[in-house]
Amino acid sequence: DADVTQTPRNRITKTGKRIMLECSQTKGHDRMYWYRQDPGLGLQLIYYSFDVKDINKGEISDGYSVSRQAQAKFSLSLESAIPNQTALYFCATSDPRHFYSNQPQHFGDGTRLSIL
Amino acid sequence: AQKVTQAQTEISVVEKEDVTLDCVYETRDTTYYLFWYKQPPSGELVFLIRRNSFDEQNEISGRYSWNFQKSTSSFNFTITASQVVDSAVYFCALSEPDSGGSNYKLTFGKGTLLTVNP
Repeated sequence: DADVTQTPRNRITKTGKRIMLECSQTKGHDRMYWYRQDPGLGLQLIYYSFDVKDINKGEISDGYSVSRQAQAKFSLSLESAIPNQTALYFCATSDPRHFYSNQPQHFGDGTRLSIL
Repeated sequence: AQKVTQAQTEISVVEKEDVTLDCVYETRDTTYYLFWYKQPPSGELVFLIRRNSFDEQNEISGRYSWNFQKSTSSFNFTITASQVVDSAVYFCALSEPDSGGSNYKLTFGKGTLLTVNP
């Protein structure tokens, strides 16, 4: 079983719809992240959460919101989807207890989102 | 200015050739971390290596090797005797403290698409 699970894996929807992407992890990590990947642009950080009560904006948070329902769950919402939000979305986790030993971020397999 | 620059957008080689993927980074911090990730056509991100700023020893793992040069702010990745299965997008990433100094965030380069032809 994957340590970081994203659902759905693929989604096609229409402009203006509300969409929620979900991420759950079994690694017991406090820190969770949402990234967006566009072709030729690498990964950009949307939001990150260092614990259930700590939510922070990343580089490109406009048009997105998040919810950290529990240590293991971190959801990303698009309140009113627009076509330029079509991208591959990744959830990731990291463990701060190991950041001096540099535990790398662990990524889910991605959600491919298409907005028509 | 980009914090992580992967100047090679695409590289194409023939199987068994050696290939080097370049990564140049920019940071003012003395403590930072560098990563390489592989993204095969299936889309998932695969962790390859991490290196902290105090360890400039080069590393070899099978056909993969990494050359960390603080003097030139580079962390290059070489695949020896490339294989078709090495075809993927490769990302270099920099982890450095945020403005508060207590948390680290990861910044990715734009990636290099490597195609290994049979």
